[in-house]
Order: sequence, then C-alpha cells, then structure tokens
Amino acid sequence: AQSVTQLGSHVSVSEGALVLLRCNYSSSVPPYLFWYVQYPNQGLQLLLKYTSAATLVKGINGFEAEFKKSETSFHLTKPSAHMSDAAEYFCAVSVNTNAGKSTFGDGTTLTVKP
Amino acid sequence: GAVVSQHPSRVICKSGTSVKIECRSLDFQATTMFWYRQFPKQSLMLMATSNEGSKATYEQGVEKDKFLINHASLTLSTLTVTSAHPEDSSFYICSAADRGGGDTEAFFGQGTRLTVV
Repeated sequence: AQSVTQLGSHVSVSEGALVLLRCNYSSSVPPYLFWYVQYPNQGLQLLLKYTSAATLVKGINGFEAEFKKSETSFHLTKPSAHMSDAAEYFCAVSVNTNAGKSTFGDGTTLTVKP
Repeated sequence: GAVVSQHPSRVICKSGTSVKIECRSLDFQATTMFWYRQFPKQSLMLMATSNEGSKATYEQGVEKDKFLINHASLTLSTLTVTSAHPEDSSFYICSAADRGGGDTEAFFGQGTRLTVV
C-alpha cells in the first residue's frame, strides 16, 4: 500500500521568493512519484515525475523535485515564484507498473503575494 | 503527450435523474482507466478502476449500483451516476495510463463538475 503526506495545506510566498512544497511518501515497493498542479475547475496537469531514474527531476514552469529515499521525501521547489504559480498542488504516488492508479496527498494551496 | 478528454465539463441535473460522464483517450489505447472524485478543497479519491471488457473494480465504500462504470472499448469509459442526489454533487475526474508508452504517466481528463439540484 502507498500513502502520501503533504505538509502544509496552505503555503504563501511573495513573488520572486523560493517555493517549497513538501511531500513525504510511504510505499512497500519502489514508487513512482508525481507532482500535479490544478487550477480552479480544471483537471490535473503533470509538473514532473520520478520513475527511478535521476533523483533530481526537472519539470515544467521551472519546477523541480528531488527524490530522497532515506527521507522518503519528494519536495517540490521553484527558485522564484510567479503570480501564475498560484494554484493547488498535489503530490501522488503509484506503483511502477500501474501509474494510472495513484494515491494523492491532500493538496497544498499555493498563494503568491505581489 | 497523450490526451484524455472528458465530457461534459459541467452538468446540472435534477435529483433522482441519472447522468453519464464520458472519458476518452484520444491518441492512445487504455485498457484501464480510473475514476476519481474530488470534493471542494479536498484531494482526489479513487472511486473505481475501469477495465476494458470486464467489470470495474470499486474501492471500498463506493456504491457499485450508484456509480455504474462501463468500459466498452479501448478508448472509452463511462461513469453513470444513477438516481443522483445533492450529496453526489462533486468534481469527477478520470485518468488513463498509456501502456504503450511504458505506463509511467497518468493522463487526466479535464474533469466534470456535477451539480445535483
């Protein structure tokens, strides 16, 4: 079984500041890990994914995440926040043979202040 | 990337009626699709796994007779909410993995906002 914990349901940063969204996972098998972004009344857009290749994963819109097995973490970062980054972010985990079936964290709402 | 299309994007129905939501994989074949439900300000909860040519697998606590799933082809799965009630109002999202692409990524539909009045 897999589970995901996103620390902090709400994160607020100033425009231009570092974005850090935390995600810890639990999995009995090697996991696939994902970060998605969701804008109001829309589906999910994949930001990046970890599938057992490089531990530092670069995604779209300047986001990246580092897989740390020892810490069971997959935190999402962006060096400089933009107003358009304001959205809901979900971390998800799945087993490596069934990426379509994912377990999601509770989500983190990112607010960007001007 | 692969595209998953959901229809309709929004639907309002009267209490007691049924509503069908379609999920299509436009440029790949999906033997398995997944249906999620999302309440306001909450995460996605997996409802069921839709299997092409066979019965869906429902998660614990999901009523099979209320949420009918049909996966008649490799590119189409439907979710029918039967005898809808206001508490069924929610955001429903489907996803599918392209097994031909190594099954390492799930592609999500745009979601369907169901409001039962």
